[in-house]
Amino acid sequence: SQQGEEDPQALSIQEGENATMNCSYKTSINNLQWYRQNSGRGLVHLILIRSNEREKHSGRLRVTLDTSKKSSSLLITASRAADTASYFCATASYGQNFVFGPGTRLSVLP
Amino acid sequence: KAGVTQTPRYLIKTRGQQVTLSCSPISGHRSVSWYQQTPGQGLQFLFEYFSETQRNKGNFPGRFSGRQFSNSRSEMNVSTLELGDSALYLCASSLVGLDTGELFFGEGSRLTVL
Repeated sequence: SQQGEEDPQALSIQEGENATMNCSYKTSINNLQWYRQNSGRGLVHLILIRSNEREKHSGRLRVTLDTSKKSSSLLITASRAADTASYFCATASYGQNFVFGPGTRLSVLP
Repeated sequence: KAGVTQTPRYLIKTRGQQVTLSCSPISGHRSVSWYQQTPGQGLQFLFEYFSETQRNKGNFPGRFSGRQFSNSRSEMNVSTLELGDSALYLCASSLVGLDTGELFFGEGSRLTVL
């Protein structure tokens, strides 16, 4: 069954604005990860947050995790045209399959 | 450090044929996992190999199989190809396994079935 579900499906913003994407999941997890994919390419790992962490930063990225609500959010600050891509959350649990959400397609307009 | 290498990058097959895709993980990584990506179904987990043993398998028919060699290189095979098997097949390697560590992806093998 689908674990991670991103919201919104598509997001269009101007350069310099912030972009927020949300991810919800259904079962308990060991960690949650965010990946970026440029059109037709492989995925690039952005950030991993463990189930006992609530917030993590990496450069212009900020990820939060709320295990009580089974949700996570990815914030990209001061977006750039190069941030245009699809963003996926993925959940990992011991002994379980690694499950990706359907992704959020982000367009950053110059 | 070399990244994950997938070959071939593009291939075209006809229905009923079989295909073998190859994945060379990052040196030292023992976990290799495979994913199918299609516009309709998104990214779906196929299987994971760790030290030559299949640890997890997704919900795919038996036509999809894989293996891992002692040098951690992995292959996946799809037999009796169907039109619906057209997809981007992605391989990822991980140092400790996909339930605890980050994944490093290759650029994928794009399969078209005619």
